[in-house]
Amino acid sequence: AQRVTQPEKLLSVFKGAPVELKCNYSYSGSPELFWYVQYSRQRLQLLLRHISRESIKGFTADLNKGETSFHLKKPFAQEEDSAMYYCALQGWGAQKLVFGQGTRLTINP
Amino acid sequence: DTGVSQDPRHKITKRGQNVTFRCDPISEHNRLYWYRQTLGQGPEFLTYFQNEAQLEKSRLLSDRFSAERPKGSFSTLEIQRTEQGDSAMYLCASSPTGGPSYEQYFGPGTRLTVT
Repeated sequence: AQRVTQPEKLLSVFKGAPVELKCNYSYSGSPELFWYVQYSRQRLQLLLRHISRESIKGFTADLNKGETSFHLKKPFAQEEDSAMYYCALQGWGAQKLVFGQGTRLTINP
Repeated sequence: DTGVSQDPRHKITKRGQNVTFRCDPISEHNRLYWYRQTLGQGPEFLTYFQNEAQLEKSRLLSDRFSAERPKGSFSTLEIQRTEQGDSAMYLCASSPTGGPSYEQYFGPGTRLTVT
C-alpha cells in the first residue's frame, strides 16, 4: 500500500529560525516524491520534486530511501513561508498522487 | 490561459440531490485528474483521464459518482443522490503527457456542502 505520513499538523517557528517539515512514506519500490504548497487563498502548487534535486525559495528536500523519508528543510524561515505544505508520492508508472494530511507552517515575526 | 478553472466554486445542495462540477484544464494538457479533500486531510485521488479515456478510478469513486471527459478537453464530475459525507472540496488538476513526474497543476476547487 502507498501511504504518506506527515506527523505534524501544525508547526510554528520564528522568522530566521531553521524549518524542517517531516514526511515519511510507505511504498514497495522507487517512488517519485513531491512537496506541494498552498498559500492563503491560493491554489495548491508544486514547490519541489526530488527528481529535480533543486532548491526552490530556499527549500530543499532529500530522499532518504533507508528511512523512507523526504523531509523539507529551509535554513532561515521567512514570514512569507507561512502556508500549508503537503508531501506527495507517485508510484512507479502511476499518475495519481498520494498526499499526506499536510502541515500548517506558521512563521512568527 | 490562466490555468485550470473549475465551476462552480461553491455549491450547497440538499441531501439526495444530484450535482455536477466542471473542470477546464490548461489547454495543451492531455491528462486530467480529480481529487477530493475533506477538512484536515490532504487531497485524495478519485480518477484520471488521458485525453477522453478514463484510465484509473479510485475505490472512493462509488457508483453514485461519474466522471466524463467527452472531447478530451473539459471534464465533468457528477454526484448522484448526494449524502452528507460527500461534503468536501473537489479539486481538478491537469498535466502534460510525458513522464510520470510532470507537475500537476491544480484548479481552485469546488466546495460542496450537502445539508
